[in-house]
Amino acid sequence: NAGVTQTPKFQVLKTGQSMTLQCAQDMNHNSMYWYRQDPGMGLRLIYYSASEGTTDKGEVPNGYNVSRLNKREFSLRLESAAPSQTSVYFCASSARTGRENTIYFGEGSWLTVV
Amino acid sequence: AQKITQTQPGMFVQEKEAVTLDCTYDTSDPSYGLFWYKQPSSGEMIFLIYQGSYDQQNATEGRYSLNFQKARKSANLVISASQLGDSAMYFCAMREAGGTGANNLFFGTGTRLTVIP
Repeated sequence: NAGVTQTPKFQVLKTGQSMTLQCAQDMNHNSMYWYRQDPGMGLRLIYYSASEGTTDKGEVPNGYNVSRLNKREFSLRLESAAPSQTSVYFCASSARTGRENTIYFGEGSWLTVV
Repeated sequence: AQKITQTQPGMFVQEKEAVTLDCTYDTSDPSYGLFWYKQPSSGEMIFLIYQGSYDQQNATEGRYSLNFQKARKSANLVISASQLGDSAMYFCAMREAGGTGANNLFFGTGTRLTVIP
């Protein structure tokens, strides 16, 4: 069972470079999310897409853009990478938003900006 | 204010013993969901258990149970009969029913559990 798949798993960028993290889910979920995880902290929401065709900012959106390409795919773009964006990035999905909807995560993407 | 607080940075438990991981939460929304996730050293986030704020009984999933004390705003995870494979980071999280909280899962800082043979 694939669930949520994200690529690449590891990436090293130079400051100022751009890149896109790709994410796809095969659970027919309506809602998708991008989180980042920094040492000693829990996950923090960057952007989310409650349903196809919509995207909204989360807690820490600065420096990122997203695209909900279709129901399955949700990408995260760093236009000009900064060392502060060194983190582990998780894509996730849920059937919909709301308290009872479990969020399922991908395996994470380790990004280092030097 | 922190929505989720996990006060135990690290915990040790003997194999086959039970262990309780603490979690307290803060919300003014009467309707919310509480979740526990496991993050092994490989890095993925694995969903373990869910408790709804209106659920009368504590949630259970195999060896995992959630000790839900609504008045105290606590949602502790109990792992029974610990196994070596239970060694991991454990995160408590909350999702609210309405407003921006419905679109997000608020995480605590996690507890690192080590199971000793």
